[in-house]
Amino acid sequence: DGGITQSPKYLFRKEGQNVTLSCEQNLNHDAMYWYRQDPGQGLRLIYYSQIVNDFQKGDIAEGYSVSREKKESFPLTVTSAQKNPTAFYLCASSIGGGTFGNEQFFGPGTRLTVL
Amino acid sequence: QKEVEQDPGPLSVPEGAIVSLNCTYSNSAFQYFMWYRQYSRKGPELLMYTYSSGNKEDGRFTAQVDKSSKYISLFIRDSQPSDSATYLCAMRWGGSQGNLIFGKGTKLSVKP
Repeated sequence: DGGITQSPKYLFRKEGQNVTLSCEQNLNHDAMYWYRQDPGQGLRLIYYSQIVNDFQKGDIAEGYSVSREKKESFPLTVTSAQKNPTAFYLCASSIGGGTFGNEQFFGPGTRLTVL
Repeated sequence: QKEVEQDPGPLSVPEGAIVSLNCTYSNSAFQYFMWYRQYSRKGPELLMYTYSSGNKEDGRFTAQVDKSSKYISLFIRDSQPSDSATYLCAMRWGGSQGNLIFGKGTKLSVKP
């Protein structure tokens, strides 16, 4: 089956720890995205990548880092610098950027809770 | 003023009702308009995709764009309990640059 997988589904982090969220896709998509979803806030873009070994900051990149070493994978690290990391994190992919980015396919999400 | 405004609801309707979901926006450069559906604790999925003004119909769903009023709508006819979800509008300006701007989502509940 083609699609996007995210792991883990639930993640608990102690304050001061870095954690990495996994995102893998087998859709052969060039573009990948990370969003954060908070209650009443909608989706906010953290980082995006339109091609391997290249990525750009979104609207709320502070306290996060990403890498894009493989086309299939776009892991997100939530660092200790992120002051309020508790949220639902969604990974998405699209065939490409530009107008191709209008149709994004989302993974099932990771719910991160800081203890 | 936020770029995209969407009433968060919740909106509760009886089964079979016609549902109207709406978003307003401030940026006249937006050219592409999407509706995503998100079931509880799941990722969103694309429901409707419209370019510029006009209507688009797909089964029980109709997307409508009025660029003069900066207003988009999603109509659901003969609503079903399975339509219970959060509906997110999203939009983007024309050209190769820019990313999707999402509304906050409207939570819909269809009661049997």
